[in-house]
This record gives sequence, C-alpha cells and structure tokens, in this order.
Amino acid sequence: AQSVTQLGSHVSVSEGALVLLRCNYSSSVPPYLFWYVQYPNQGLQLLLKYTTGATLVKGINGFEAEFKKSETSFHLTKPSAHMSDAAEYFCAVSGPGSARQLTFGSGTQLTVLP
Amino acid sequence: GAVVSQHPSWVICKSGTSVKIECRSLDFQATTMFWYRQFPKQSLMLMATSNEGSKATYEQGVEKDKFLINHASLTLSTLTVTSAHPEDSSFYICSARSGGLAGGPDTDTQYFGPGTRLTVL
Repeated sequence: AQSVTQLGSHVSVSEGALVLLRCNYSSSVPPYLFWYVQYPNQGLQLLLKYTTGATLVKGINGFEAEFKKSETSFHLTKPSAHMSDAAEYFCAVSGPGSARQLTFGSGTQLTVLP
Repeated sequence: GAVVSQHPSWVICKSGTSVKIECRSLDFQATTMFWYRQFPKQSLMLMATSNEGSKATYEQGVEKDKFLINHASLTLSTLTVTSAHPEDSSFYICSARSGGLAGGPDTDTQYFGPGTRLTVL
C-alpha cells in the first residue's frame, strides 16, 4: 500500500519569497513521485516527476523537488514566488504494476501575498 | 504534446437522467485511462481504471452500474453517470497514460483532462 502526506493544507508566502511545500510518502516499492498543480475549476498540470536517476528534479515554472529516500520525502520548492503561483498543489505517488495508479496527497493551497 | 480533453466542461441535469462525459487523448494513444472524482477543497479520489478493449476496474465503494465506463478506442474513454442524483454532483476528472508508442509521452505519467463539473438538480 502507498500513501502520501502533505504537511500544511494552506501555505502563504510573500511575493518573491521562497516557496516550500512538504510531501512525505510511504511505499513498499521504489516510488515514482509527482507534483501536480491545479488552478480553480481546472484539471491537473504536471509540474515535475521523479522516477529514477538524479534525485533533484527540475520542473516547469521554476519549481524543483528533491527525492530523499532516507527521509521518505519529496518536497517542492521555488526560490521566488510569483502571484501566478497561487493554486492548489498535489503530491502523488505511483503504484506498482502496469496500471501505475496514482495515490494523491490531500493537497496544499498556496497563497501568494503582494 | 500529451493533451487530454474532456467534454462537456460543465453540465446541469435533472435528477434521474443520465449524463455522458467524454475523455480524449488528442495527440497520443492511451492504453490506460483513469477516472477521478473531486469534491470541493478535497483531493482526487480514483473511481476506476480502464484499459482499451477491456472492462474497467472499479475502486472499492464505486458502483459499477451507476458509473459506466467504456474505453472503446485508444483515444477515447467515456463515463456515464446513470440515474443521476444530487449527491452525484461533483467535479469529474479523467487522465490518460501512454501505451509507450514511439514518439509518445512517458508511459509512467498520467496526463489530466480539464475536468467536468456535474450539477444534478
């Protein structure tokens, strides 16, 4: 079984400040990890993913995440927040087998203050 | 690349009627498609996994006879909410995963549609 925990359902940062969204996972097999962003009334857009190889993963819009196996974490960061980053962010882990179903965290709403 | 569309984007229907939602992968062939339901301010809940040409696999607690899924081709899956009731009102999102054909998107990634807002009166 797999699970994802996102610490902090709401995070507020000032424009230009560091963004840090936390994600911890549990998996009995080597995980595939994803971060998606959702804007209001829209579907999910892939920000970045980790499958194998380099543990620091760079994504779109200046976001990056680091896979830390020892900490079972995959935190999302961005050095400088923009107003357009305000959205809901979901961390997800992919299951084993050919279906590769996703298990999502509960989401973190990011607010960017002017 | 890896674009997934859904139609309609929103629908309002009367209680007791059926509603069909289409999910299409526009620029790749999707051997697997997933249907999710999302309640306001909540995460996505997987309803079912569908593979082209075979019956869908439903998650525990999801009524097969109420949520009919058809994955008739490598680019189209449909979700039909039968005899809809107000409690079925929700945001329904599909995703598609590539079958790994040359030139297609990664097979380990799900690409999501824009969602369909269903309101049952």
